[in-house]
Amino acid sequence: KQEVTQIPAALSVPEGENLVLNCSFTDSAIYNLQWFRQDPGKGLTSLLLIQSSQREQTSGRLNASLDKSSGRSTLYIAASQPGDSATYLCAVVGGAGNMLTFGGGTRLMVKP
Amino acid sequence: EPEVTQTPSHQVTQMGQEVILRCVPISNHLYFYWYRQILGQKVEFLVSFYNNEISEKSEIFDDQFSVERPDGSNFTLKIRSTKLEDSAMYFCASSEWADTQYFGPGTRLTVL
Repeated sequence: KQEVTQIPAALSVPEGENLVLNCSFTDSAIYNLQWFRQDPGKGLTSLLLIQSSQREQTSGRLNASLDKSSGRSTLYIAASQPGDSATYLCAVVGGAGNMLTFGGGTRLMVKP
Repeated sequence: EPEVTQTPSHQVTQMGQEVILRCVPISNHLYFYWYRQILGQKVEFLVSFYNNEISEKSEIFDDQFSVERPDGSNFTLKIRSTKLEDSAMYFCASSEWADTQYFGPGTRLTVL
């Protein structure tokens, strides 16, 4: 059974710092990996999707990498801003029904 | 930009009652999903739906749950006899293919 773990569970940084969020998964037989942002009491906003054949994806200040063989992904956020404060979730896709298996998230606080 | 919508945003019900949660997926998407998130816990997969049938379901999705696409736009989740432990945020999602899943804002279900 796929297990997804995110470290750290919470992170507080001053504005302007570059930071890395980590995601690990136990079963490397995945189709793709998706990073989401969740604001308190809100839905999930898709940030990036990395196909299993890809090594990384970039969108603006975000860069996500995937090392399928070692079961790891990282989300790099450059020049963090207070508006980046949210919970960041990673999820892997496996199985015939495209089910997403989620990690527990990293709660990020960027202080002005 | 197209988005997934869900109604109602908050549903309060008595234990044992039936509830129907409604979703309108993005119009050209072919895959539909339901997930739930109990307060303070991970987002969990419930069911995926493609070509008018369930393609995958989790252990949570027992006989008390059912899904339906009653017309060309709506996708519903029915819980026949709600239990206290069904209290959670329920998210609908859709995807065009087996790729990026787009989530709705969620329905908060409170079972009293």
